[in-house]
Amino acid sequence: GQQVMQIPQYQHVQEGEDFTTYCNSSTTLSNIQWYKQRPGGHPVFLIQLVKSGEVKKQKRLTFQFGEAKKNSSLHITATQTTDVGTYFCAGLYNFNKFYFGSGTKLNVKP
Amino acid sequence: DSGVTQTPKHLITATGQRVTLRCSPRSGDLSVYWYQQSLDQGLQFLIQYYNGEERAKGNILERFSAQQFPDLHSELNLSSLELGDSALYFCASSVAGQGLSGNTIYFGEGSWLTVV
Repeated sequence: GQQVMQIPQYQHVQEGEDFTTYCNSSTTLSNIQWYKQRPGGHPVFLIQLVKSGEVKKQKRLTFQFGEAKKNSSLHITATQTTDVGTYFCAGLYNFNKFYFGSGTKLNVKP
Repeated sequence: DSGVTQTPKHLITATGQRVTLRCSPRSGDLSVYWYQQSLDQGLQFLIQYYNGEERAKGNILERFSAQQFPDLHSELNLSSLELGDSALYFCASSVAGQGLSGNTIYFGEGSWLTVV
């Protein structure tokens, strides 16, 4: 069935190192969204990617949507302790069904 | 404060019972989304309504139902509750529906449901 696979499950980095999380789908997505959830908090919407090959930047965060609209990545440059949290992707299929990845839990050591 | 209001914040109920969770979206937002977050299942999208009509569906159980009213607030009804339904239920809202680039989704603080 349709599902979004997200890797890695956990990532521990030293402050200043880069971080990337990846999401893959076996079938084409209508769009993909990214969220961040801090421990004990609610998900915060980061961005939505709609177009094939789309790349968007938010300060140190770079989001990419693959040409085939089957994969996406979130890259954080020079992580900071404020980046700690779980990052989720969520893929929309046929503008009708929406599935979350399992999330990547990021820990940043100062 | 995201502007999305959810009630109740906490709820404890027994198995077999029925509960209703309520959500008021941000002023001007037409879309309402419901999500379930549990320890073993992660974050799951349940359902989305746009201006009163169902727009998208996720892994929502048949025991669960939702609706969006003319004033745009939404309710999530959970019936025949089981222990496994214990989770944090989030509501979110956005101006438009899915598929629009730049359409920001705002989450409420969630409703903690414990089924005993």
